[in-house]
Amino acid sequence: DTEVTQTPKHLVMGMTNKKSLKCEQHMGHRAMYWYKQKAKKPPELMFVYSYEKLSINESVPSRFSPECPNSSLLNLHLHALQPEDSALYLCASSQVGVKNGYTFGSGTRLTVV
Amino acid sequence: GQQLNQSPQSMFIQEGEDVSMNCTSSSIFNTWLWYKQDPGEGPVLLIALYKAGELTSNGRLTAQFGITRKDSFLNISASIPSDVGIYFCAGRPNAGNNRKLIWGLGTSLAVNP
Repeated sequence: DTEVTQTPKHLVMGMTNKKSLKCEQHMGHRAMYWYKQKAKKPPELMFVYSYEKLSINESVPSRFSPECPNSSLLNLHLHALQPEDSALYLCASSQVGVKNGYTFGSGTRLTVV
Repeated sequence: GQQLNQSPQSMFIQEGEDVSMNCTSSSIFNTWLWYKQDPGEGPVLLIALYKAGELTSNGRLTAQFGITRKDSFLNISASIPSDVGIYFCAGRPNAGNNRKLIWGLGTSLAVNP
């Protein structure tokens, strides 16, 4: 299995809703990442988990709450989002260490209304 | 945050033509990665480079890690319509927090059949 699987593929939520994005990989990667991507821009790093522990939080607002329940799963809990949070949210994984490329999922297209 | 200088920003070429794009940095990098992203999908890793001067091919794609460690290029030979997409370079600086990838702004490629 060489894939990162993200669900749902599309999500529309209101500003008072609570929702979660899910990411799963079975490649044995121990580093997992959440990125946010706006149209025609490069991905922007949000969070990094290394060995299931949060190692980087890029000053992301608390309305985004990551969780890594085990080495294969990564969640992003969403609450009280703003319309400007609408974007493609990408999960990625890699081996721990600097000489490794990332494998990305197909993303969740999030629209906040 | 820090970004790589990727050029050209966009290209419109005829099928069968060769394509070249490059990324430069003001600081030394220890990893260069080239990704392609199709609309609505996550980036897909094309080529990873880990050593100065390294030249690596993947089918019609060839990429090189610049000898100064501050640049990289990607060439596509004999382009075909499915080469359409946005190509991103990404790299890890040699200093600082090199768990984080630094991204170029992308090269948008259009191929006229």
